[in-house]
Amino acid sequence: AQRVTQPEKLLSVFKGAPVELKCNYSYSGSPELFWYVQYSRQRLQLLLRHISRESIKGFTADLNKGETSFHLKKPFAQEEDSAMYYCASFSGSARQLTFGSGTQLTVLP
Amino acid sequence: SAVISQKPSRDICQRGTSLTIQCQVDSQVTMMFWYRQQPGQSLTLIATANQGSEATYESGFVIDKFPISRPNLTFSTLTVSNMSPEDSSIYLCSVSGTSYNEQFFGPGTRLTVL
Repeated sequence: AQRVTQPEKLLSVFKGAPVELKCNYSYSGSPELFWYVQYSRQRLQLLLRHISRESIKGFTADLNKGETSFHLKKPFAQEEDSAMYYCASFSGSARQLTFGSGTQLTVLP
Repeated sequence: SAVISQKPSRDICQRGTSLTIQCQVDSQVTMMFWYRQQPGQSLTLIATANQGSEATYESGFVIDKFPISRPNLTFSTLTVSNMSPEDSSIYLCSVSGTSYNEQFFGPGTRLTVL
């Protein structure tokens, strides 16, 4: 079974500081990993996916198969980045997402 | 991307009653999903609802407690039956996008059971 672990429930950084939200996964096949974000009073939305190797709102995430990690990073955090972040893995066979427990990021002024 | 609406947005219900949550999508989609997010917890998949077939339930969830309907490609309902305070959660509907591994989420239904 898939498992996604986000070890930090809460994370606070100051504006302009680098931020890294940790995510580790366990999956026997080829993982497909995502980061979802939920801003205050908004719905859950896709932030980025590992397969696209994209940078969205300054965030990047690299899949490290050796460490089974998919950490989300941003070099200079902004106050508007404050939100709940969920790491998720997708099972092709079951066609479903498995979510981590989420990390509440607060960017302080 | 799909636009998803849910009704009701929130409700407060008495123990022992049932609530049906509606999910409407602005386009035809094959797969719809129902999730539960208990207070302070992550999202847990309840079931996958495909049009024209029975919903597929995840471990720990049963049809008698969470009956699901999927009458067409744009609509689904989830009923929370015989509610208890432990059912107090946010219930979310999601759909697959054009990319099979992408999902779009509704705004959620916040349920409180007294």
